[in-house]
Amino acid sequence: KQEVTQIPAALSVPEGENLVLNCSFTDSAIYNLQWFRQDPGKGLTSLLLIQSSQREQTSGRLNASLDKSSGRSTLYIAASQPGDSATYLCAVKGSGGSNYKLTFGKGTLLTVNP
Amino acid sequence: NAGVTQTPKFQVLKTGQSMTLQCAQDMNHEYMSWYRQDPGMGLRLIHYSVGAGITDQGEVPNGYNVSRSTTEDFPLRLLSAAPSQTSVYFCASSLRTSSRGEQFFGPGTRLTVL
Repeated sequence: KQEVTQIPAALSVPEGENLVLNCSFTDSAIYNLQWFRQDPGKGLTSLLLIQSSQREQTSGRLNASLDKSSGRSTLYIAASQPGDSATYLCAVKGSGGSNYKLTFGKGTLLTVNP
Repeated sequence: NAGVTQTPKFQVLKTGQSMTLQCAQDMNHEYMSWYRQDPGMGLRLIHYSVGAGITDQGEVPNGYNVSRSTTEDFPLRLLSAAPSQTSVYFCASSLRTSSRGEQFFGPGTRLTVL
């Protein structure tokens, strides 16, 4: 059974700092990995999606990497801003017969202080 | 495109009442699914569908029914609500054969069962 772990559970940083969020998964047979952002009381917004054959994806100040063989992904946020404060969720989509399902981590709650 | 829409946004039920959570998407996605999000548990898959007329159970299906009569709609039914079903419910959809396989989420339904 796929398990996804996100470390740290919570992170507080001053504005302008670069930061890394970590995600690990137990089964490397994945189709892709997706990073989401969730604001309090809101739905999930997709940030980046990395296919299993890719090593990284970039969007603006965000960069996500994937090391499938070791079961790890990182989300790098450059020059953090108070508006980046949210919960960040990592989710993996299984391959083969499980390619419909996302397995989620419990998230990292990020607070960026002005 | 409206993307994935869910109604209602909020609902309060009494134990034993029934209701249907609505989900619709206008992206012609084959895959649709329902997740529930609980504090400390992350998002867990309830039911999913790989196309019209085809549904299957996820991790936590007990107490919920689904049907998929059209590609666009995937309602979730609670036949006899219980306090343990107090949660936030998210509907998601994705293309089956897309090389990206990105999943899109609705804004959620916040359900309280008294």
